[in-house]
Amino acid sequence: GAVVSQHPSWVICKSGTSVKIECRSLDFQATTMFWYRQFPKQSLMLMATSNEGSKATYEQGVEKDKFLINHASLTLSTLTVTSAHPEDSSFYICSARDPRRSYEQYFGPGTRLTVT
Amino acid sequence: AQTVTQSQPEMSVQEAETVTLSCTYDTSESDYYLFWYKQPPSRQMILVIRQEAYKQQNATENRFSVNFQKAAKSFSLKISDSQLGDAAMYFCAYRIGLYSGGGADGLTFGKGTHLIIQP
Repeated sequence: GAVVSQHPSWVICKSGTSVKIECRSLDFQATTMFWYRQFPKQSLMLMATSNEGSKATYEQGVEKDKFLINHASLTLSTLTVTSAHPEDSSFYICSARDPRRSYEQYFGPGTRLTVT
Repeated sequence: AQTVTQSQPEMSVQEAETVTLSCTYDTSESDYYLFWYKQPPSRQMILVIRQEAYKQQNATENRFSVNFQKAAKSFSLKISDSQLGDAAMYFCAYRIGLYSGGGADGLTFGKGTHLIIQP
């Protein structure tokens, strides 16, 4: 099946620092990946669409300069939270679109970010 | 913009019984997909079932089936013979068709229903 990994699964960082989260499609090439954010006991909110070799498309209300997305290869997209603050603490989940399976989206296991 | 509404924050069912989770959505598109995802405590999103809007036949996956009412924009999930392992958060989600959306086909989720299975 289609496998998507995320690294790290859990990260703690200090306020003001930056942290990078990786999303990898392990057994397929994904021209498009998506980043979602999930607050505790809430739903998933789409943050941005990441396209290989081009700029990401951000949803309304998502700060582009705070959440930097890079999709440099067909198997890797990264989300960098810059100058992190405690309110950025959340669960970040990526998904990748698999062209072999009618462009179905497959989710990574998520990354829990805690900013102290 | 599309919206997805789940009006049941929590549902409880006895093991081996049947339960139905409700979902309504709003869209002006004709080409779209609807999904039910399960999120257990591990928080890994698991696809339960999907429905293409152009298909009139309701999707079925083993004990899981949907009642897709396109005109009413309703998409409910029925779980038959509920098992303890079914306990999780269930999210209804919408996605525009790949070509209709021009690649902007990220998922829109409802707020979720917490399903409790009583042994």
